[in-house]
Amino acid sequence: SQQGEEDPQALSIQEGENATMNCSYKTSINNLQWYRQNSGRGLVHLILIRSNEREKHSGRLRVTLDTSKKSSSLLITASRAADTASYFCATGAQGAQKLVFGQGTRLTINP
Amino acid sequence: NAGVTQTPKFQVLKTGQSMTLQCAQDMNHEYMSWYRQDPGMGLRLIHYSVGAGITDQGEVPNGYNVSRSTTEDFPLRLLSAAPSQTSVYFCASSYSTGERTYEQYFGPGTRLTVT
Repeated sequence: SQQGEEDPQALSIQEGENATMNCSYKTSINNLQWYRQNSGRGLVHLILIRSNEREKHSGRLRVTLDTSKKSSSLLITASRAADTASYFCATGAQGAQKLVFGQGTRLTINP
Repeated sequence: NAGVTQTPKFQVLKTGQSMTLQCAQDMNHEYMSWYRQDPGMGLRLIHYSVGAGITDQGEVPNGYNVSRSTTEDFPLRLLSAAPSQTSVYFCASSYSTGERTYEQYFGPGTRLTVT
């Protein structure tokens, strides 16, 4: 069974707009990670946030984590056509190295 | 560094055939894993390894075997291919200290079709 559920499943916005994706999970975690997958390619790590952190930034990416609500969000600001991809959240449990992935959000940036 | 490499990129098998998907990494990562990704789905963990000689099952291990004789290599064996194993297979590796999880580095994937 998959831990993370992502919302929305698909998102289409205009270039320059901000994109927000959400991830909810069910059990306690040690960390939550976001990955990007371009069509037909492997996944690329974007950002990792640990359970004792609430917010993290990396360039145009902003990730928040609310452990009380068991949810996370990924914000991409000033979107570009190159941001078109699928985005996955993945959770890591305490004392375990393996990750459990959500089903992903397919993001399309229209020029 | 080459990172994580996978061979082959594409493979077509007939039902009942066996084959090995190769995965290698040159980052001296202790943790390696195999996932499968079906259309429109996230990744599901097949098997993983926390170091040479140590492997364990993930969420969907049936029909697959793994071994880890070296830090660098983590091959995935399909024992008797079935159409339900048609999927894209990804290998990943990660630095690990045992208690903490770090980001995973993914290979480019192997697209497998079983007829």
